[in-house]
Amino acid sequence: ETGVTQTPRHLVMGMTNKKSLKCEQHLGHNAMYWYKQSAKKPLELMFVYSLEERVENNSVPSRFSPECPNSSHLFLHLHTLQPEDSALYLCASSQDLPADTQYFGPGTRLTVL
Amino acid sequence: KQEVTQIPAALSVPEGENLVLNCSFTDSAIYNLQWFRQDPGKGLTSLLLIQSSQREQTSGRLNASLDKSSGRSTLYIAASQPGDSATYLCAVRRRRDSGAGSYQLTFGKGTKLSVIP
Repeated sequence: ETGVTQTPRHLVMGMTNKKSLKCEQHLGHNAMYWYKQSAKKPLELMFVYSLEERVENNSVPSRFSPECPNSSHLFLHLHTLQPEDSALYLCASSQDLPADTQYFGPGTRLTVL
Repeated sequence: KQEVTQIPAALSVPEGENLVLNCSFTDSAIYNLQWFRQDPGKGLTSLLLIQSSQREQTSGRLNASLDKSSGRSTLYIAASQPGDSATYLCAVRRRRDSGAGSYQLTFGKGTKLSVIP
């Protein structure tokens, strides 16, 4: 049990849908991350939040919109996605930035039809 | 731009065999290197962390080495077990003095290991 939970674990959506991914960490950490893991590509960092402020947007398209209402919760709002956005979306947290150790959630498997 | 390569992409070995997974990176200006394990349906678990000033780290049957000058790391697994079956990811972190994004990890694509009973 990593202390980082993600919901839903699986999501299928159409290109015109709007959905949200949720991440919650129970570790008292101050930093949270969104990663994308596509088939046949390395894990890619999307966004980083520290103390609820976004400190990194790694050239992510605007159809992905993150939200960090408090240090324990992180959302990824999705709208008008493309089939190539189908991937495993992983959330992670760390005590602070920078941090040697990040704790990962189990991920949300997203399929865009 | 840092690139991390892991070879082989997949490996199948009989139980009890010792094995080596390889990781190479293009920019030697790293702060540290980590090996992670990823099981299907689960997130990543950190196995070993090697600081740039270190040569190796050991944990149980796992030993990771780092040769920063040549841009290489290996993960040695002794006496492999079926429970070791997973995807192993290598990730490097930029040096702290490299400014914004110095906390970013650059990952390889991973090596999928299958240990056959």
